[in-house]
Amino acid sequence: GNSVTQMEGPVTLSEEAFLTINCTYTATGYPSLFWYVQYPGEGLQLLLKATKADDKGSNKGFEATYRKETTSFHLEKGSVQVSDSAVYFCALSGRGAQKLVFGQGTRLTINP
Amino acid sequence: EAGVAQSPRYKIIEKRQSVAFWCNPISGHATLYWYQQILGQGPKLLIQFQNNGVVDDSQLPKDRFSAERLKGVDSTLKIQPAKLEDSAVYLCACWGGVGGQQGHETTDTQYFGPGTRLTVL
Repeated sequence: GNSVTQMEGPVTLSEEAFLTINCTYTATGYPSLFWYVQYPGEGLQLLLKATKADDKGSNKGFEATYRKETTSFHLEKGSVQVSDSAVYFCALSGRGAQKLVFGQGTRLTINP
Repeated sequence: EAGVAQSPRYKIIEKRQSVAFWCNPISGHATLYWYQQILGQGPKLLIQFQNNGVVDDSQLPKDRFSAERLKGVDSTLKIQPAKLEDSAVYLCACWGGVGGQQGHETTDTQYFGPGTRLTVL
């Protein structure tokens, strides 16, 4: 079945540092890939998505590129801020109304 | 547009008691999901509805969990009786996009509610 593996956390960085959170997946067919973010005390929010190979999703300075050859969707940000502290989830879904399959989440803490 | 509404936000019960959660999705979104998120893990699907019909309930512990979506709008998830391991956040999500065929860009976004945090003592 479909599965998602994220780099283990927690991750702690200083403000303005470069961020990479690794995500790899196993899936049949052509899944769509997502990064969701969960800020403290809040619900899951979509951060970015990519629906086909080589697509790049981007939002709020975060980027991730759908790499079919390496089955990866790594999340990157060039300069993190304290406000980026949250839990980040990589996820995939099949076409249409199919369920999301999530990774285990990576807790990110940014120190000033 | 209004988001996904869930209630209650928090619930504490003792094991063997029953509990119910309510979800009101975004208007017009035909597909509704219930996910269970155990602390330190990613959400896992419990059940998926398309309008008021069940599409996938393969991961729902049917001996204690039940869910319904009358009239294809809001939904209720029930646990009876609860166990300690049911302590989790229960997330409701909805999807309003159009299904597509392989190779065509039709996938839309699932929108999540704030969740109900259940603690079973």
